Amino acid sequence: QVRLQESGPGLVKSSETLSLTCTVSGFSISSGYYWGWVRQPPGKGLEWIGTIYHTGSTYYSPSLKSRVTISVDTSKNQFSLKLNSVTAADTAMYYCMGEYGYGRTDYWGQGTLVTASS
Amino acid sequence: QSALTQPRSVSGSPGQSLTISCTGTSSDVGGYNYVSWYQHHPGKAPKLMIFDVSKRPSGVPDRFSGSKSGNTASLTISGLQAEDEADYYCNSFAGGYIVFGGGTKLTVL
Repeated sequence: QVRLQESGPGLVKSSETLSLTCTVSGFSISSGYYWGWVRQPPGKGLEWIGTIYHTGSTYYSPSLKSRVTISVDTSKNQFSLKLNSVTAADTAMYYCMGEYGYGRTDYWGQGTLVTASS
Repeated sequence: QSALTQPRSVSGSPGQSLTISCTGTSSDVGGYNYVSWYQHHPGKAPKLMIFDVSKRPSGVPDRFSGSKSGNTASLTISGLQAEDEADYYCNSFAGGYIVFGGGTKLTVL
């Protein structure tokens, strides 16, 4: 059974960097899939943030590209999200996910709420 | 990059059929056969219901079906059941990234 678990601070100060890590169990990141992040602001819809392949190739949402970095650590079977210069608009439930490709996401974490506040 | 357009809400009675639309552009929905649909119950992880426009993952009931015409994709649920009440999201490949719809709240009356 494939399991994904998000970890990281639940509170980030405005203008600082949001950092989250996703630990994958039951599946080797190096075996394939694109690993990434989706978020959902309170009361709003899902927003795709980006993905990374185990080779290091990254794909980002055009609207977030300037502030986002997704990295992978295959030795720990983990991948991470960094979002710079956060504002209140970045307050959301952040889900890590495993995408087969082209938007087909087979694996999801349970989500972690991150609040950006001054 | 704009979100795909979905109706904010739909409703139906048990046993009925209903369809949720997802409208994009020729740069996303209309340009690729890569539309997926997700069922999302509040507080839980989204669940993949349809991928590649009309394919069902194993374990998803055949009451759920997907289709596409031009720039609009559709999710049809037949034989509506109480447990189908949830939020539904479409997404589409847009040439290097993925775009989601705004979501549709399905209410079973």
